Amino acid sequence: AQKVTQAQTEISVVEKEDVTLDCVYETRDTTYYLFWYKQPPSGELVFLIRRNSFDEQNEISGRYSWNFQKSTSSFNFTITASQVVDSAVYFCALSDLDRGSTLGRLYFGRGTQLTVWP
Amino acid sequence: SAVISQKPSRDICQRGTSLTIQCQVDSQVTMMFWYRQQPGQSLTLIATANQGSEATYESGFVIDKFPISRPNLTFSTLTVSNMSPEDSSIYLCSAGGQSMNTEAFFGQGTRLTVV
Repeated sequence: AQKVTQAQTEISVVEKEDVTLDCVYETRDTTYYLFWYKQPPSGELVFLIRRNSFDEQNEISGRYSWNFQKSTSSFNFTITASQVVDSAVYFCALSDLDRGSTLGRLYFGRGTQLTVWP
Repeated sequence: SAVISQKPSRDICQRGTSLTIQCQVDSQVTMMFWYRQQPGQSLTLIATANQGSEATYESGFVIDKFPISRPNLTFSTLTVSNMSPEDSSIYLCSAGGQSMNTEAFFGQGTRLTVV
């Protein structure tokens, strides 16, 4: 069965610190997708990144970077020089493919509440 | 990328009543999903809605409580029936992409409070 574990329930940092959010997943599928979403207090889910299981290259987007390691089934997310506006709940999610080609439902981790203090 | 419009964005309802949430996608999608997020919790899948067939419900969710319609490839509704305070949650709809290189799109969510 698919499973996503975000062991960190809450993280607090001071502005400008770097912070890493951990995500470990379980799946028997060879083809799958991993996601990170940000959920601010307003409640909507903001898409941050999608990574497929065949692409292990790390990705950087501004202050955000992601480290995908299939060997350890991890997909960690780092925010460099954190800002107060980064305060939110961050969800890691896993999706398989329905009938091999269409993105299926997402399996979410429990989320990590990040608080960045000024 | 697809845009999903979900409404209402929030509502306060009396217990025992029902609320229907609408989800409109600006392009045709094969699969639509309804999730529930109880306060302080993660997202849990309620059901998968496929056009032209009955919705598929996850364990713990039943059609009588959460009837779903999917009349075409761009629209779906979720009804929360006979509400109780335990139904107070954020409800989100999502659309599954057609290709392998697409994100999972989410609506803005419906924040429901049952009093």
